[in-house]
Amino acid sequence: GAGVSQSPSNKVTEKGKDVELRCDPISGHTALYWYRQSLGQGLEFLIYFQGNSAPDKSGLPSDRFSAERTGGSVSTLTIQRTQQEDSAVYLCASSLAKGGLAEDTQYFGPGTRLTVL
Amino acid sequence: AQKITQTQPGMFVQEKEAVTLDCTYDTSDPSYGLFWYKQPSSGEMIFLIYQGSYDQQNATEGRYSLNFQKARKSANLVISASQLGDSAMYFCAMRGSKAAGNKLTFGGGTRVLVKP
Repeated sequence: GAGVSQSPSNKVTEKGKDVELRCDPISGHTALYWYRQSLGQGLEFLIYFQGNSAPDKSGLPSDRFSAERTGGSVSTLTIQRTQQEDSAVYLCASSLAKGGLAEDTQYFGPGTRLTVL
Repeated sequence: AQKITQTQPGMFVQEKEAVTLDCTYDTSDPSYGLFWYKQPSSGEMIFLIYQGSYDQQNATEGRYSLNFQKARKSANLVISASQLGDSAMYFCAMRGSKAAGNKLTFGGGTRVLVKP
């Protein structure tokens, strides 16, 4: 079946502009995650959605970052007033999140490479 | 807090030989899961293998096996019969208890280059 999809694959923007990154999880997966991969910081957790529960926003680096998940499926990560340090690959993942750990394997999308000039 | 350490930034391996990638972890959670992912140059993170903290046997998945030593808090990945397509970054990751939020904590990764 179809995996996690993300769009756009690449985004170049100017400092100070807002950007929106989209993630479409695997059908039937109730959990959705955003991570950021940058040279200096490695892979960092950003935010996690599970069903109708309040999202875990503990990894968001500043209030310029926000995310929403509409209808329990597609998610959008928004970065306002982008800065050069926001340049990174933004990875989305989804999982079944049912029962035990073995079923909670996270499957990743291809990522969006964001470059802030 | 959870922490994953991968001490090998990069390594070469001869085609058809086995290679072991080191991973040590630290957590106070009694229940956790350990994952290995492969990231080729294309950028996508590919799930390879999973080990649960209460699993009695080491996980295996095709040419991948996990040498899980709970007392030492290590979960080394063994790739047998290396192939040129195994050249990639490899990440060890941990997921804690559900109370910890289900997120993955990643190590810094190991770059593997398979030589023909």
